[in-house]
Amino acid sequence: GAVVSQHPSRVICKSGTSVKIECRSLDFQATTMFWYRQFPKKSLMLMATSNEGSKATYEQGVEKDKFLINHASLTLSTLTVTSAHPEDSSFYICSARDPRSLEQYFGPGTRLTVT
Amino acid sequence: GENVEQHPSTLSVQEGDSAVIKCTYSDSASNYFPWYKQELGKRPQLIIDIRSNVGEKKDQRIAVTLNKTAKHFSLHITETQPEDSAVYFCAASGSGNTPLVFGKGTRLSVIA
Repeated sequence: GAVVSQHPSRVICKSGTSVKIECRSLDFQATTMFWYRQFPKKSLMLMATSNEGSKATYEQGVEKDKFLINHASLTLSTLTVTSAHPEDSSFYICSARDPRSLEQYFGPGTRLTVT
Repeated sequence: GENVEQHPSTLSVQEGDSAVIKCTYSDSASNYFPWYKQELGKRPQLIIDIRSNVGEKKDQRIAVTLNKTAKHFSLHITETQPEDSAVYFCAASGSGNTPLVFGKGTRLSVIA
């Protein structure tokens, strides 16, 4: 079964609104989770590393004020896309790494469409 | 930081033939190399992985080889089937909580 869940799977929002995406690690405690973005027919691009109890580490070119990440517990990380614009439309996927095996498991992804 | 190159970007094979996808990495500290299969609109699924203390690993029709000296690793799929058609990504990372860095992907088409 799935070890990482993500909600919602699809969301459509209007420009200027904010959208929150949740990522949960179901089978293990994850001190670190990762957020990726994937455009059609492209690879997964790391946006940020979410650290439980501390600030997220953002990749170069990713606006931390636009993509707010909170990792309040060992099983939950959230990504909030603030003041969304059409160019933010994409497939957002979170992942968590099992500290025992190093295997990285992905959530089912969230398809965001900003109109 | 780590940089992963993947080739080819597209690959078409006849059913029953073998498919090989190759990746190179830049960071000699990387020690974990997974391969993911992603079908359209779905999450990447781990299909096989290899660690730096092993040169080759096999799981039924899928095998992965690693050459640490040359910093490259490859995915081999034998006796391909139409359901193997998907996008395959290689990735590399170090130990601890370092994130995976992905290659650009290979779109594999298996023609019946």
